[in-house]
Amino acid sequence: QSVLTQPPSVSEAPRQRVTISCSGSNSNIGDNAVNWYQQLPGKAPKLLIYYDDLLPSGVSDRFSGSKSGTSASLAISGLQSEDEADYYCAAWDDSLNAVVFGGGTKLTVL
Amino acid sequence: EVQLVESGGGLVQPGGSLRLSCAASGFTFSSYEMNWVRQAPGKGLEWLSYISSSGSTMYYADSVKGRFTISRDNAKNSLYLQMNSLRAEDTAVYYCASEGGGGDAFDIWGQGTMVTVSS
Repeated sequence: QSVLTQPPSVSEAPRQRVTISCSGSNSNIGDNAVNWYQQLPGKAPKLLIYYDDLLPSGVSDRFSGSKSGTSASLAISGLQSEDEADYYCAAWDDSLNAVVFGGGTKLTVL
Repeated sequence: EVQLVESGGGLVQPGGSLRLSCAASGFTFSSYEMNWVRQAPGKGLEWLSYISSSGSTMYYADSVKGRFTISRDNAKNSLYLQMNSLRAEDTAVYYCASEGGGGDAFDIWGQGTMVTVSS
């Protein structure tokens, strides 16, 4: 069981908007930055969102992040087939002295 | 080009040891905190270990504490993971990742190296 909880899968049609949730606790999301990673099939993960809602250079502004309390969300608008990937949230956990990842969410673009 | 390249993976028997390396290029390695992350076949990402830019501070996941040791050589722009007492459940792709984004964000990842623990 992962410390951060994500839905195993989400699906939506092209050009639509989808959100992926990430639920934690006061020791991780509630007190630290949330980062999101995209992992395309067979590839290494890629940083998608950092510090809850910031986009690294080169990442499409179709991606956005938000956080409230002990939960965070990743939103993807204008879905494209190339967005099909696994998405992971992560945060530092003060109690564990460790980075904790969510279990990952597989996005299917219908 | 900013790059991390892992090496040292392979097949090892249960109870054996392996040393992974991660070569950095294209950025000032000595200024960056570094991490190891692994992914078992068909599974999610699992953080393993962190080392500060100077090498003075390390953290480990409970699953590898006491068996794995992270280290770095800033003169050689290299990160290492010494893995001892390997178990079948350690079978995974191992990634090194730099922490340059702030907020514990891993902004650069290597391509990964596969470690298989099997008799």
